[in-house]
Amino acid sequence: DSGVTQTPKHLITATGQRVTLRCSPRSGDLSVYWYQQSLDQGLQFLIQYYNGEERAKGNILERFSAQQFPDLHSELNLSSLELGDSALYFCASSVVDGEVETQYFGPGTRLLVL
Amino acid sequence: SQELEQSPQSLIVQEGKNLTINCTSSKTLYGLYWYKQKYGEGLIFLMMLQKGGEEKSHEKITAKLDEKKQQSSLHITASQPSHAGIYLCGADIGGQNFVFGPGTRLSVLP
Repeated sequence: DSGVTQTPKHLITATGQRVTLRCSPRSGDLSVYWYQQSLDQGLQFLIQYYNGEERAKGNILERFSAQQFPDLHSELNLSSLELGDSALYFCASSVVDGEVETQYFGPGTRLLVL
Repeated sequence: SQELEQSPQSLIVQEGKNLTINCTSSKTLYGLYWYKQKYGEGLIFLMMLQKGGEEKSHEKITAKLDEKKQQSSLHITASQPSHAGIYLCGADIGGQNFVFGPGTRLSVLP
């Protein structure tokens, strides 16, 4: 158990819909990362938040958005869903010790768009 | 095309054997991360390398970042069935770009 929790574990929805994925980082971790893992594109970095502010942006579509709240939990919003958005979505929180940053991954949310 | 390539794609070894997985980038690596993933589960962070020539070990797993900082190797000594899984490298290639390799699937036969 990494200490990072994600809800829901599974989500089935239809094309065109909107969903929200939730992530609670490990206690005290200020950084939250979101990743998408699909069979055809592998694992992709989407976005990073640090203490409520967006820090880095990866291959995140405009239909997707995220935020980190004052209590440090984060939400990833996916809208106008397409079949190709079906994937595992992971979040991770991290801690920095000197020059080393260690990421702890949640168990993921498996999204199926029908 | 992938910014990070991994080789081999898959590997089957007998328990007790040593093995090496490689991760190669066409760009300078500002930070190189190794992860292990069990199928359909989250990633487990193994280690991070930043400096050229840096080498780190954790239990029977050793990773090294080459001097030119464009390749990393992950070496497992005396493999065990518990080492089986998918090994992914991830890298900060600059410009807020963090990318992952396609993964190497390792099977260890008892």
